[in-house]
Amino acid sequence: QKEVEQDPGPLSVPEGAIVSLNCTYSNSAFQYFMWYRQYSRKGPELLMYTYSSGNKEDGRFTAQVDKSSKYISLFIRDSQPSDSATYLCAMIDNQGGKLIFGQGTELSVKP
Amino acid sequence: GAGVSQSPSNKVTEKGKDVELRCDPISGHTALYWYRQRLGQGLEFLIYFQGNSAPDKSGLPSDRFSAERTGESVSTLTIQRTQQEDSAVYLCASSIAGTPNTEAFFGQGTRLTVV
Repeated sequence: QKEVEQDPGPLSVPEGAIVSLNCTYSNSAFQYFMWYRQYSRKGPELLMYTYSSGNKEDGRFTAQVDKSSKYISLFIRDSQPSDSATYLCAMIDNQGGKLIFGQGTELSVKP
Repeated sequence: GAGVSQSPSNKVTEKGKDVELRCDPISGHTALYWYRQRLGQGLEFLIYFQGNSAPDKSGLPSDRFSAERTGESVSTLTIQRTQQEDSAVYLCASSIAGTPNTEAFFGQGTRLTVV
């Protein structure tokens, strides 16, 4: 079993839809949770990060962490064609060091 | 430049040859990571540097893979006797020292094709 599981999709939605992306994990030592966005043939870029459980909002993006269920989510409101990319969750424990990534979910927002 | 720079951006090599991939991190970033991304897959951790030391090299897939870092700056990932399964995008990232390294900045990657 992988430490971080993420549905690879692809996920296709119409413009304006609410998108929900999710990851589950098995290592209870993970404390920091990140979402990266990766456009085709580009390196990943950090979208948001959250410490421990709770919600964090940034514009159209909301990240949620439920440590009791070992489940994290990223919501995108009013999705735009420019949101079309692969979204990767990543996690790290309190010791620092390596980020552990999910497989990534490919999202396509159709005009 | 202000970002993480990787070279070459593309590399085609013959099976059995050695290759060197270079990463120039953001100035002042003491943490540096190498990841591998196969087509349609997520990021596979290879090695992590803190300064010039590699406290975690657990992701290197075989002894054909090695990496070094000098001057707390440039890092080189070397793959010896390349195999077709080594074909992937190799991504480098750097972040400011400290725990945890929550914000890692990635380069554009080196696309390696072994023929």
